Amino acid sequence: AQSVSQHNHHVILSEAASLELGCNYSYGGTVNLFWYVQYPGQHLQLLLKYFSGDPLVKGIKGFEAEFIKSKFSFNLRKPSVQWSDTAEYFCAVTISSASKIIFGSGTRLSIRP
Amino acid sequence: GAGVSQSPSNKVTEKGKDVELRCDPISGHTALYWYRQRLGQGLEFLIYFQGNSAPDKSGLPSDRFSAERTGESVSTLTIQRTQQEDSAVYLCASSLDRGELFFGEGSRLTVL
Repeated sequence: AQSVSQHNHHVILSEAASLELGCNYSYGGTVNLFWYVQYPGQHLQLLLKYFSGDPLVKGIKGFEAEFIKSKFSFNLRKPSVQWSDTAEYFCAVTISSASKIIFGSGTRLSIRP
Repeated sequence: GAGVSQSPSNKVTEKGKDVELRCDPISGHTALYWYRQRLGQGLEFLIYFQGNSAPDKSGLPSDRFSAERTGESVSTLTIQRTQQEDSAVYLCASSLDRGELFFGEGSRLTVL
């Protein structure tokens, strides 16, 4: 069964710092990968997704993620964070478009203004 | 409707009582998911409905938990004989295809 690991539970950065949040999954076959974000007081929403093709995926608000198959990783990056990026970030994986989506435990990102 | 609707938004119940949580997915979405989010923790998969296929119940934590879905519309999650450890936010999400989930606001359950 597939699983997702997010090793950073809480990350604290200053504005303009660069961000990288780790995500590793365990499944040997073809996967679809996602990053979701939950801003304070709001519901979860999709940040970006990877199904196939270019392993560098660009999402909303300047976020991007790189799929590295050999490392079973899908890390989220942003070159310069803003205070408004304060949120909880969840990585997720599914082995096909018709199977369940499994989420990681989440990483809380706090940005100091 | 415009989005996924869940009710009730808040539910306080006594240990041992049964509760029913409702989810109205986005019209036309064939897939529906239930997740549980305990305080400070991630999303725990509970159950997944896809069209007319048999649901994936592999995440239900015990036989006190059950869920139904009528066709491609409303779903109800039922928790029987609630326990304090059932306290959590129960999230529903729906999807048309290709895996993008649209989440509801959640139902916060508190078991006293």
